[in-house]
Amino acid sequence: LAKTTQPISMDSYEGQEVNITCSHNNIATNDYITWYQQFPSQGPRFIIQGYKTKVTNEVASLFIPADRKSSTLSLPRVSLSDTAVYYCLVGDNSNSGYALNFGKGTSLLVTP
Amino acid sequence: DADVTQTPRNRITKTGKRIMLECSQTKGHDRMYWYRQDPGLGLRLIYYSFDVKDINKGEISDGYSVSRQAQAKFSLSLESAIPNQTALYFCATSDLDLEQFFGPGTRLTVL
Repeated sequence: LAKTTQPISMDSYEGQEVNITCSHNNIATNDYITWYQQFPSQGPRFIIQGYKTKVTNEVASLFIPADRKSSTLSLPRVSLSDTAVYYCLVGDNSNSGYALNFGKGTSLLVTP
Repeated sequence: DADVTQTPRNRITKTGKRIMLECSQTKGHDRMYWYRQDPGLGLRLIYYSFDVKDINKGEISDGYSVSRQAQAKFSLSLESAIPNQTALYFCATSDLDLEQFFGPGTRLTVL
């Protein structure tokens, strides 16, 4: 079961780019890296998923180095509404290990 | 209509009472999960089910039980509620991939 480590909290101003890094030193060959966003009193919402290199969608980018021992979620030009908790999960779909990994996440605060 | 629904949304009960939280999904997913979240903490997995005949314990299953009545329904029961089970409970579903879809949550208070 791959263990993940991410910062407890981060602060940013509106309009800045925010990068949240997650460490997962014992990631397995079949594991994917998935990020979720959670607003207060709501369930987490899928943001992005990747296996290697770079993945980009309309919300964020995910950078994964060649050794895959870490990954970075990049949020371009954040707004106040991006204030949320961000979770990094690592695992594959063959067992529940993936579902066990929500942890405490990174609490991002965006201010004007 | 929401793809994943939870009932009730809020519940206050007393110590020792039996409580059932229900989850229904219209996404056609085989996999369903129950999590709890305590203030300032992340989500912890209670039980999960990969299909109707499959039930598995998660990280914190003690004091809880589940029933997978159908592909679309997954219920969580607290046989004898205690105050430290006061929390926000989330149900989630997923297909064979890793994207989970969460319900709106049930806020449970045990007095």
